[in-house]
Amino acid sequence: EAGVAQSPRYKIIEKRQSVAFWCNPISGHATLYWYQQILGQGPKLLIQFQNNGVVDDSQLPKDRFSAERLKGVDSTLKIQPAKLEDSAVYLCASSLVVGSSYNEQFFGPGTRLTVL
Amino acid sequence: AQSVSQHNHHVILSEAASLELGCNYSYGGTVNLFWYVQYPGQHLQLLLKYFSGDPLVKGIKGFEAEFIKSKFSFNLRKPSVQWSDTAEYFCAVNARGYNQGGKLIFGQGTELSVKP
Repeated sequence: EAGVAQSPRYKIIEKRQSVAFWCNPISGHATLYWYQQILGQGPKLLIQFQNNGVVDDSQLPKDRFSAERLKGVDSTLKIQPAKLEDSAVYLCASSLVVGSSYNEQFFGPGTRLTVL
Repeated sequence: AQSVSQHNHHVILSEAASLELGCNYSYGGTVNLFWYVQYPGQHLQLLLKYFSGDPLVKGIKGFEAEFIKSKFSFNLRKPSVQWSDTAEYFCAVNARGYNQGGKLIFGQGTELSVKP
């Protein structure tokens, strides 16, 4: 089966610019996660969707980050305006069942963002 | 606060050496435990998982991990490493349950370099 797709793979922007990332989860997967991985750290959850509803966005910096998952399929994550500390790899993951902690999360290749 | 700590940031071994990577967690509840691996240039992928039952779990490629509840630990082991095991390894936990969302909390990762 096809894996989680993400684009772009790399993005370089200047601070205060805006940027958007796209994720297409595995077909049929109800739950979609966006993680931020700063160099030298493990991934940290930014936002979790179940179908097209937000379940957890407690660690999303809402003054500059936004995300949506229209029609419960693909998702976009936006940063506006970007700061230097937003430089990181943004990972998208999906899992099959709504709300279960037992399901394996499948990760995409990530988008590496560099903010200059 | 929920957290996962991995003892070693970078481990260098020769082929055929034994491997043990430490992982401790702090979590106010019952957890599921995971080890993920990221080979160079590839996605994060699941290596093994523990939900309940036998605390010694076996994963892919000869890896195993032991859950010691009293020590809040979930160490990863392999009796004899190969050059192809060179990768970054992440320990992760989530709250156990069918309605707990599945959010993963990751450690900071351990980079393993195996010399041929």
